[in-house]
Amino acid sequence: QSVVTQPPSVSGAPGQRVTISCTGSSSNIGGGYAVHWYQQLPGTAPKVIINGNNNRPSGVPDRFSASKSGTSASLAITGLQAEDEADYYCQSYDSSLSGFVFGTGTKVSVL
Amino acid sequence: QVQLQESGPGLVKPSGTLSLTCTVSGGSISNFYWSWIRQPPGKGLEWMGYVYNAGSTSYNPSLESRVSMSVDTSKNQFSLKLTSLTSTDTAIYYCARATGTFMTPVAYWGQGTLVTVSS
Repeated sequence: QSVVTQPPSVSGAPGQRVTISCTGSSSNIGGGYAVHWYQQLPGTAPKVIINGNNNRPSGVPDRFSASKSGTSASLAITGLQAEDEADYYCQSYDSSLSGFVFGTGTKVSVL
Repeated sequence: QVQLQESGPGLVKPSGTLSLTCTVSGGSISNFYWSWIRQPPGKGLEWMGYVYNAGSTSYNPSLESRVSMSVDTSKNQFSLKLTSLTSTDTAIYYCARATGTFMTPVAYWGQGTLVTVSS
């Protein structure tokens, strides 16, 4: 079973910068497949905030940015705001699954 | 704008079969990757599988022996069947669609439907 690992939680004060890591393997992130990032607010479906081309859909603030290197990726939130408190997931394609794989998820708390 | 809506029972019995349908509006179901993704209460997202090219399928190996998916192009719907249910199948079930190919993000989601497996 392919596993993509994220830290369970990260926190920061308003205005700070936080990063979320996303560690995969050669069958997904390391295989050159795109990594997408989602935000899930309580009681709602996940929403794409950054796609694999590091593009943000309309309406997503530019304080969200992403990067990728080797078998890992990361999401950065700069100028953290109270409304950013949510669960965040990375997602890629996995060649051993022949399908999608989601990261384990990270809860962002604003102190 | 593409919209997806899940329908099906909210309560199913252990050892039974879950059947869910996703109705798609605002676009044709004939193309794209149509997924089922589930989320146990308080836990993360699990990709269950997708149907694409109006009938081809790919399933998560962890579920492959119990899951099947299909498309009904005449009704613009796709469906999920999951057999031999246990309490670990209790989850919110989302139907969803990638923007384009399997390399693109899952941009369209239904609101999700909570399915509880209990006698």
